[in-house]
Amino acid sequence: ILNVEQSPQSLHVQEGDSTNFTCSFPSSNFYALHWYRWETAKSPEALFVMTLNGDEKKKGRISATLNTKEGYSYLYIKGSQPEDSATYLCASQYNFNKFYFGSGTKLNVKP
Amino acid sequence: DAGITQSPRHKVTETGTPVTLRCHQTENHRYMYWYRQDPGHGLRLIHYSYGVKDTDKGEVSDGYSVSRSKTEDFLLTLESATSSQTSVYFCAISEYFVDTLSGLSSYEQYFGPGTRLTVT
Repeated sequence: ILNVEQSPQSLHVQEGDSTNFTCSFPSSNFYALHWYRWETAKSPEALFVMTLNGDEKKKGRISATLNTKEGYSYLYIKGSQPEDSATYLCASQYNFNKFYFGSGTKLNVKP
Repeated sequence: DAGITQSPRHKVTETGTPVTLRCHQTENHRYMYWYRQDPGHGLRLIHYSYGVKDTDKGEVSDGYSVSRSKTEDFLLTLESATSSQTSVYFCAISEYFVDTLSGLSSYEQYFGPGTRLTVT
């Protein structure tokens, strides 16, 4: 079992605040790092996949970075909006197409 | 949604009864997964499959078995359900893709709608 950790567990911010979360993972035999957005009563939806050290991905106000040498990834949300409220999951992918998920960061954006 | 359906979507069963959950996909994906979602744990892998009749255990496989007799269906069976198996179960597939910007390849996971199982 590989331990993927996310912090913080939950976050409460005001509309317009920028925020970031951390995902740390074992770097041995690492293949890719995935970020998902998960709304209550729905299925996780893919945000980003990153494979190379130093990768940066951006989608609108959300961006992510990857450091494979030290085993961490950051997810940033600029100017949070109430519709950004969700749980953000990261998953680290290793050999044989196995994915190991963190426990998620629950974001609540207050109007 | 990558053509993934799960059945049933909700089930209540009694301790000790067998339960089978079905995951069906329509796009011929090779890799299929079963996860359970529990508070404070995110998603934990139960079993996965890398082809017809090819399966392997995940991190929380005790009490569960799987079968994949054809590409489109991946079945999860609880031989004798226990209250600790009350959970939401998600099926997923992984799809190979190539990033058009970087040219790098990877796999992306897509999830089914989930099955809420309650064991009383």
